Amino acid sequence: EVQLLESGGDLVQPGGSLRLSCAASGFTFSNHAMSWVRQAPGKGLEWVSTINYSGGRTDYADSVKGRFTVSRDNSKNTLHLQMNALRAEDTAKYYCARGGGNWNFDSWGQGTLVTVSS
Amino acid sequence: EIVLTQSPATLSLSPGERTTLSCRASQSISTYLAWYQQMPGQAPRLLIYDASNRATGIPARFSGSGSGTDFTLTISSLEPEDFAVYYCQQRSNWPLTFGGGTKVEIK
Repeated sequence: EVQLLESGGDLVQPGGSLRLSCAASGFTFSNHAMSWVRQAPGKGLEWVSTINYSGGRTDYADSVKGRFTVSRDNSKNTLHLQMNALRAEDTAKYYCARGGGNWNFDSWGQGTLVTVSS
Repeated sequence: EIVLTQSPATLSLSPGERTTLSCRASQSISTYLAWYQQMPGQAPRLLIYDASNRATGIPARFSGSGSGTDFTLTISSLEPEDFAVYYCQQRSNWPLTFGGGTKVEIK
């Protein structure tokens, strides 16, 4: 069974940084692209970033480009999202999802909440 | 950026009814469209991929159709667990984009 478990969400001040992690199990992690998708409170889904299976290609939404960095450790089956220069509009639940790019988001974690507020 | 417009925003229906949800793309996306269901307080779940293929474990009452710019998700007979929010999503072009969602609520 595919399992994705996010962690690292917290309350952070504007301009601050946070690192999210997603621990994957139940599948061959190194064979799959992985993504982050977020959902602001009461709003719809917004794609944030995708990293390919090897980590050799990354893509970002314009809203986070230059501030967020996605990475993966295939030896530890873990996906990360380094979030810098956080803004109030980054407040959302962040989901880790398997897929992205040429692949559908076929499995999702339960999300981790990031709140940016002073 | 490809904009996906979902309509209507809300549907008020009764269990057993048939319903059709619409998703329109701002430019042609072939059949690179997926549908997701999100129940309250839960993560989204993949329902349909490549416009018309049901994902693993999805009941046959869910079906998808369309190509190019116009797509539909049909639920043939609503079950109580189908009252949720439904999103479409395209993977034809970067950035990946989602529609704004259609909420199917109990009448």
